[in-house]
Amino acid sequence: AQSVSQHNHHVILSEAASLELGCNYSYGGTVNLFWYVQYPGQHLQLLLKYFSGDPLVKGIKGFEAEFIKSKFSFNLRKPSVQWSDTAEYFCAVNRAAGNKLTFGGGTRVLVKP
Amino acid sequence: EAQVTQNPRYLITVTGKKLTVTCSQNMNHEYMSWYRQDPGLGLRQIYYSMNVEVTDKGDVPEGYKVSRKEKRNFPLILESPSPNQTSLYFCASSTRQGSETQYFGPGTRLLVL
Repeated sequence: AQSVSQHNHHVILSEAASLELGCNYSYGGTVNLFWYVQYPGQHLQLLLKYFSGDPLVKGIKGFEAEFIKSKFSFNLRKPSVQWSDTAEYFCAVNRAAGNKLTFGGGTRVLVKP
Repeated sequence: EAQVTQNPRYLITVTGKKLTVTCSQNMNHEYMSWYRQDPGLGLRQIYYSMNVEVTDKGDVPEGYKVSRKEKRNFPLILESPSPNQTSLYFCASSTRQGSETQYFGPGTRLLVL
């Protein structure tokens, strides 16, 4: 069974700091990769996704993620965070053409003003 | 407005009292899914449906039932709720397979006493 690991459960940083959240998955075949974000009191929204092509993908609100196949990783980055980036971030993986989306445990990010 | 709706948003019940959480989408999506979110565990898939009358188990189906009699609706049924089913539940839908981007409902917070 596929699994997804997010290395940090909680991250606290100040505005303008850079953010990187790690995500590793276990499935060895072709995968689709997602980062979802859940702002306080809101439902999950898609931040960005990778299906194929350029392994560096750009999402909304200045986020980007890099797919490194050899490392089974899909890390999320943002060069300069804002207070409004306070949220919980979830990495998710699906086998290409598969029916099950597997989520990581989530990382709570708190950005101090 | 394209959306996934869930009702109720909050529910407090007692052990053994059957309940249903409704989910409806207005995007003509074929694929629908239920997840539960628990601290540190991320989202775990309960059941999913590829289309009308086609459902399958996710990773944590025990204690839950679903039905898909209409394309737009995918209710989650707890025949005999137990305290370990206290959780935050999300319904999601996507165009076809589960590998496509999923759109999430606002969540239902359930407390089983």
